[in-house]
Amino acid sequence: NAGVTQTPKFQVLKTGQSMTLQCAQDMNHNSMYWYRQDPGMGLRLIYYSASEGTTDKGEVPNGYNVSRLNKREFSLRLESAAPSQTSVYFCASSTGRPNRNQPQHFGDGTRLSIL
Amino acid sequence: ELKVEQNPLFLSMQEGKNYTIYCNYSTTSDRLYWYRQDPGKSLESLFVLLSNGAVKQEGRLMASLDTKARLSTLHITAAVHDLSATYFCAAGDNTDKLIFGTGTRLQVFP
Repeated sequence: NAGVTQTPKFQVLKTGQSMTLQCAQDMNHNSMYWYRQDPGMGLRLIYYSASEGTTDKGEVPNGYNVSRLNKREFSLRLESAAPSQTSVYFCASSTGRPNRNQPQHFGDGTRLSIL
Repeated sequence: ELKVEQNPLFLSMQEGKNYTIYCNYSTTSDRLYWYRQDPGKSLESLFVLLSNGAVKQEGRLMASLDTKARLSTLHITAAVHDLSATYFCAAGDNTDKLIFGTGTRLQVFP
């Protein structure tokens, strides 16, 4: 079982470049999430998708866009990367409603550096 | 707005000792989670607590929930080096979102 798969694992960008982080899950989960993790700040939600076809902003959405391509895939796009977006990005999925009590399952993360 | 605070942020423990990590949340929540993260790795689910008075145990870790006090604790019994990691609590808001605490970095030394 692959669970939640993120690509790439590492990436270095120059300021102003764009890129898309990919996430796919094979657990037939309804809900998917994108977080960023910065030292001393825990995980902060960027965007989430409660079900296929819907997306909603989280705590720190500025500078990002998302696409829920289908039930399996949820991508995160940086249109014009900034050094403040240097972070570790995690994708997660969960069963969602009506079983929203189930824990979220996380991918291995993407380590993104912006110079 | 739901906020989650953990303390301590850093904990250095001697092997064999006991200690507790605290997780406070600011508004009503119907679900509380504990996760473990090893350095450079992903997050692993440890416990899910859904009701007042809920207690879950796995090995040397025991988690509990007091919804009236809006407090969850993660108790470590007779710490061993393998427990060294960062521990996060997260509370669910009234949508499908989780709000995470800032994490407690636990270091167990001989």
